[in-house]
Amino acid sequence: GDSVTQMEGPVTLSEEAFLTINCTYTATGYPSLFWYVQYPGEGLQLLLKATKADDKGSNKGFEATYRKETTSFHLEKGSVQVSDSAVYFCALLYTGTASKLTFGTGTRLQVTL
Amino acid sequence: ETGVTQTPRHLVMGMTNKKSLKCEQHLGHNAMYWYKQSAKKPLELMFVYNFKEQTENNSVPSRFSPECPNSSHLFLHLHTLQPEDSALYLCASSLTASRTEAFFGQGTRLTVV
Repeated sequence: GDSVTQMEGPVTLSEEAFLTINCTYTATGYPSLFWYVQYPGEGLQLLLKATKADDKGSNKGFEATYRKETTSFHLEKGSVQVSDSAVYFCALLYTGTASKLTFGTGTRLQVTL
Repeated sequence: ETGVTQTPRHLVMGMTNKKSLKCEQHLGHNAMYWYKQSAKKPLELMFVYNFKEQTENNSVPSRFSPECPNSSHLFLHLHTLQPEDSALYLCASSLTASRTEAFFGQGTRLTVV
């Protein structure tokens, strides 16, 4: 079945450091891919998405590129801020009559001064 | 503000109580979802409603009873819960159940004592 694998956290970085959170997926077709972010005490917010191979999603300085050849959708940011501290979820979605989001387990990011 | 509002934000209930969680969306969406988020576990999809019809029940115990009176409102009725049911319950909506990403509410933190 479809699945999403994320790197284990927590990831601890100093402010202004470069961020990479790895995400790989297993799917039989060509799903859409998403990154969601969950700030403390909040629900999930859509951060960015890509709907086909080689698409790059970007938002708030975060980027992720849909790599079909490596079945990956790694999240990157050039310079993190303390306010980026949150849990990040990678997810995939097939569009179709029985579609549903499949989430990874989440990666906690802690950014310190 | 994602356009999906959940109430209450926090709920403490005894194992013999009956309570309900409410979700309302103002996005004009036709699909609504209940997810359960427990510590150290992936997000679990519980129920899916598409155009007010339940289209998915992921083997959820009968002590959880969903209700979708219209496309904008979704309830989760709770009775005779167990302590292991303590979790963050997230509501989400999407344009339809067959396409597009989901938008989440802030969740209800449920504690069963």
